[in-house]
Amino acid sequence: EAQVTQNPRYLITVTGKKLTVTCSQNMNHEYMSWYRQDPGLGLRQIYYSMNVEVTDKGDVPEGYKVSRKEKRNFPLILESPSPNQTSLYFCASSLFGVLGLSGSGYEQFFGPGTRLTVL
Amino acid sequence: KQEVTQIPAALSVPEGENLVLNCSFTDSAIYNLQWFRQDPGKGLTSLLLIQSSQREQTSGRLNASLDKSSGRSTLYIAASQPGDSATYLCAAALFNKFYFGSGTKLNVKP
Repeated sequence: EAQVTQNPRYLITVTGKKLTVTCSQNMNHEYMSWYRQDPGLGLRQIYYSMNVEVTDKGDVPEGYKVSRKEKRNFPLILESPSPNQTSLYFCASSLFGVLGLSGSGYEQFFGPGTRLTVL
Repeated sequence: KQEVTQIPAALSVPEGENLVLNCSFTDSAIYNLQWFRQDPGKGLTSLLLIQSSQREQTSGRLNASLDKSSGRSTLYIAASQPGDSATYLCAAALFNKFYFGSGTKLNVKP
């Protein structure tokens, strides 16, 4: 089954304790992205990756790191989590990034989400 | 920076009614606009994607339109059903980034 998976689904941690949220897709997609969703603010893009070893900042990258060593995996790393990073996190992927070209392959597929609480 | 707004924030309608959800964006140079559905506690499910060169897309009872010049997109739901109850989000794509609205929470009453 074509899907985007995230782990863990729920995580409660304490301030300053490094954590990693994994994201994996089995659709051979080039583009992957991380978002956070907060009440009243909608989804905001944290980081995205156009392909292996190519990553770039979204709108809210502060406090986060990512890596793209393999095409299928795109982990989100919080080196020193703080309470303001308590949020619902989503990973997404699409076949291509957004290049202004016509045709298919730009539809984003989302993972089930990871609810993170930082105490 | 692209700003995306969705109005109304919440909507309650009786079953069978046709309805329109609105999405506006500030930068008309978008590459595409995508509509999603989000059920409580779940991820986002893609409904329709409209490329910048297109005016509308249809899937079943759903029709999405795009007017880049006015910075607007609408999602039309025909003959609404209780199963359509969810939050609907739009996302505008610009320079490899995606900008989401805060969503419209729809409740369809039986």
